Amino acid sequence: GAGVSQSPSNKVTEKGKDVELRCDPISGHTALYWYRQSLGQGLEFLIYFQGNSAPDKSGLPSDRFSAERTGGSVSTLTIQRTQQEDSAVYLCASSRGRDGAKNIQYFGAGTRLSVL
Amino acid sequence: AQSVTQLDSQVPVFEEAPVELRCNYSSSVSVYLFWYVQYPNQGLQLLLKYLSGSTLVKGINGFEAEFNKSQTSFHLRKPSVHISDTAEYFCAVSVGAAGNKLTFGGGTRVLVKP
Repeated sequence: GAGVSQSPSNKVTEKGKDVELRCDPISGHTALYWYRQSLGQGLEFLIYFQGNSAPDKSGLPSDRFSAERTGGSVSTLTIQRTQQEDSAVYLCASSRGRDGAKNIQYFGAGTRLSVL
Repeated sequence: AQSVTQLDSQVPVFEEAPVELRCNYSSSVSVYLFWYVQYPNQGLQLLLKYLSGSTLVKGINGFEAEFNKSQTSFHLRKPSVHISDTAEYFCAVSVGAAGNKLTFGGGTRVLVKP
């Protein structure tokens, strides 16, 4: 299919371990977003990439969180030294064009992260 | 900064009855408004959007919403629900000047009963 693909769909890890979550956006979409969905905080913006511009990292909750986007396509969200409060569903979305406020964001099915 | 409030966390409704999900937002600048639906264990799917123009917007699956600037609201309605409409619904705003992130409401869980 041509939708946003995220892997893995589920990830169980031990507290203190590092995890990497992957997002493959829709082909041709220049904008990519990461959001976190948790019981206590709802849906929160984490980070936004637009083409080759510097990313908007304003939503990252701590310096344990980082993300990169290689070649303007695939993105990886990395969480270092995971904590139990990092348990959540991590959603990726992509959109086309530069006027991202108007462009529709298409979401992947998410990665459910459980930190034991 | 903008914020979104969905006044009802859960809405039980009988099949074939109408439903309205309330959404209010606050922002000091013009916003773009969206409603997304999330079925169990799935990502978010766009139902409809308001960018400009007519304040009544129609979306997929028989849903519609009305933008009311004076009341800063964007309520979602469906005249007759089906069992398959059982899902969680999220209202969201984006602000051009502030970048392109979506700010979401807390969600409304709709449970359609037979």
